[in-house]
This record gives sequence, C-alpha cells and structure tokens, in this order.
Amino acid sequence: GENVEQHPSTLSVQEGDSAVIKCTYSDSASNYFPWYKQELGKRPQLIIDIRSNVGEKKDQRIAVTLNKTAKHFSLHITETQPEDSAVYFCAATLSGGSYIPTFGRGTSLIVHP
Amino acid sequence: NAGVTQTPKFQVLKTGQSMTLQCAQDMNHNSMYWYRQDPGMGLRLIYYSASEGTTDKGEVPNGYNVSRLNKREFSLRLESAAPSQTSVYFCASSEPSGLDEKLFFGSGTQLSVL
Repeated sequence: GENVEQHPSTLSVQEGDSAVIKCTYSDSASNYFPWYKQELGKRPQLIIDIRSNVGEKKDQRIAVTLNKTAKHFSLHITETQPEDSAVYFCAATLSGGSYIPTFGRGTSLIVHP
Repeated sequence: NAGVTQTPKFQVLKTGQSMTLQCAQDMNHNSMYWYRQDPGMGLRLIYYSASEGTTDKGEVPNGYNVSRLNKREFSLRLESAAPSQTSVYFCASSEPSGLDEKLFFGSGTQLSVL
C-alpha cells in the first residue's frame, strides 16, 4: 500500500516568514495529493490539492508543488500569520476507483507574532 | 447543510465496556471512512465503506466493527473497549468521482478508556 512520510513534525516561524512542509509518497500510481489544515480542537479541512498532471498550484498565500519523478510534494505558506498556526496533513491517493487517502503524520506549525 | 454529523463528542468508558459511534452525512456521498487520530501518528484509517452495502478494513481495524446502515449512516462499534483505544475518532465522507474528492470530516469524538 501507499506510504506517506511528512517532515518536519514541528515547524516554528516568525510572523511574516515563509513555511515549507514536505511529503514523500511511495506508490507511483498515486495521482491526487490534498493538504488538510486542522486547527486546535477542530476537524481537518482541505486547504489545497494538486493532481499529478500539474506541477504547481497557488491559492493566495499558499502553494503546492509536485515532483512526480522524485515522488515528493510540498506545501508553501508565504507571509505567515498567527492564524496559520495549526497541524497540517498531506495525503496521497489514487483518484477515482479505490480512493483511500493515506495521510502523513502531520506538521504542527507555530507562527509567533 | 449539516455536512458530516458525528456523535457523541466526548465519551469515557471503562475497560471492557462497549459503545457505538454514530456518523451521518447529508451530501449524498458514496464513500465513508472512520479514522483515529493519536499524537504524532496522524490520521489512521480504521474502516471504510466505498458504497452502501460494502465495508473494508483499513490500517488499524483490530478491536472495531462497522456497519453501513444506509447511504447516509456509517457506525463504528467497540465491542470490548481497551485503554489502547483511547483516541480522537473522526468520521469522514467523500464522493470519489475524479472531480472533487476531498474528504469532509465530522467534528470528532474524544474517547477515553480507563
């Protein structure tokens, strides 16, 4: 089955800095890579996703890049704000068919004012 | 639009007791999932149901059973709770059509087994 590694487990930055979270996956058949944000005590919610036919996707201050050859993808947050503090999870799966997302272990992002 | 509704929000059990976690979605999704979340372990899949009438084991199914009662409802049962099952449990649903496959999560159940 799919295996997703996520690093770092904890990331501490100053407000305004950029943050990068990296994930690697094992199954070359995976073609859909979502990112979820979980604020303290809340449910995970999708913030951005990317498919394997795209190398990069942006949405305001967040972006995701994908390198299919190396089987890794990354979340980039620019101009971080205190409200970005949360746990971020990456996932990998095969779109359609037996869609079973496999999650990374999560990154706790702390943005200091 | 309620999305995914999960009950209860909190539960304390004694070792050996049983309980059922309830989950219902109103988005007409075919797929439903049960995950457990433990510190440093991410979200681990317990069971999933790709469609009404089908269920399959995930990564950590031991000690759990599930029922896909109908398209809306997917319950998780602990027959004889153990302290190792202390965790936060999330139900989720999705429509893996190839167009919009994001998971919608319930609000979670914090379970403590003493």
